[in-house]
Amino acid sequence: EDKVVQSPLSLVVHEGDTVTLNCSYEVTNFRSLLWYKQEKKAPTFLFMLTSSGIEKKSGRLSSILDKKELFSILNITATQTGDSAIYLCAVEAGGRTGNQFYFGTGTSLTVIP
Amino acid sequence: KAGVTQTPRYLIKTRGQQVTLSCSPISGHRSVSWYQQTPGQGLQFLFEYFSETQRNKGNFPGRFSGRQFSNSRSEMNVSTLELGDSALYLCASSDRVDYGYTFGSGTRLTVV
Repeated sequence: EDKVVQSPLSLVVHEGDTVTLNCSYEVTNFRSLLWYKQEKKAPTFLFMLTSSGIEKKSGRLSSILDKKELFSILNITATQTGDSAIYLCAVEAGGRTGNQFYFGTGTSLTVIP
Repeated sequence: KAGVTQTPRYLIKTRGQQVTLSCSPISGHRSVSWYQQTPGQGLQFLFEYFSETQRNKGNFPGRFSGRQFSNSRSEMNVSTLELGDSALYLCASSDRVDYGYTFGSGTRLTVV
């Protein structure tokens, strides 16, 4: 069964801390892995990863994929209260009816001033 | 550039009814995908349309269907509503897969 597992489920840190969010997956015909930030309703796209070992970076956020060990991490350095959100990991996989997207249940991050 | 627009924002229906949700993608985006989000199951992929054709499909029963028009606007229909269909339905559009998908604010459907 295809699945995406995120850990931890929730995290509370202080401003300025660095956090690492994990996403492991088991899917057939992996295509890509995506990270999203969901604050209220609409998830916001962060990164798309398709190749192992190539770090993607945007400001204080960075992410990397390991296709051998089947996981990805999302790092946030110097956290700010505005980083408080649910971070979703999604994996795109090829299937009989075309590509499908499998989402993890998310990591809820709370940054305390 | 206007974002992804979903209508209506909120909807209350009774069991057995059917419902149609609408999604207008960002101008120029030809791919539209639909998702169901519930507290218990998280975000689940329903289907994706590209140039009026269903390109990808998730593991949902046939009561869930959709279509895309020539202007890329998409509709999702759920027939014979069940209590378990109560959820936030999100639509997302994209012009290039490697840019990810931009989500709308969703339609909150409550089935009573």
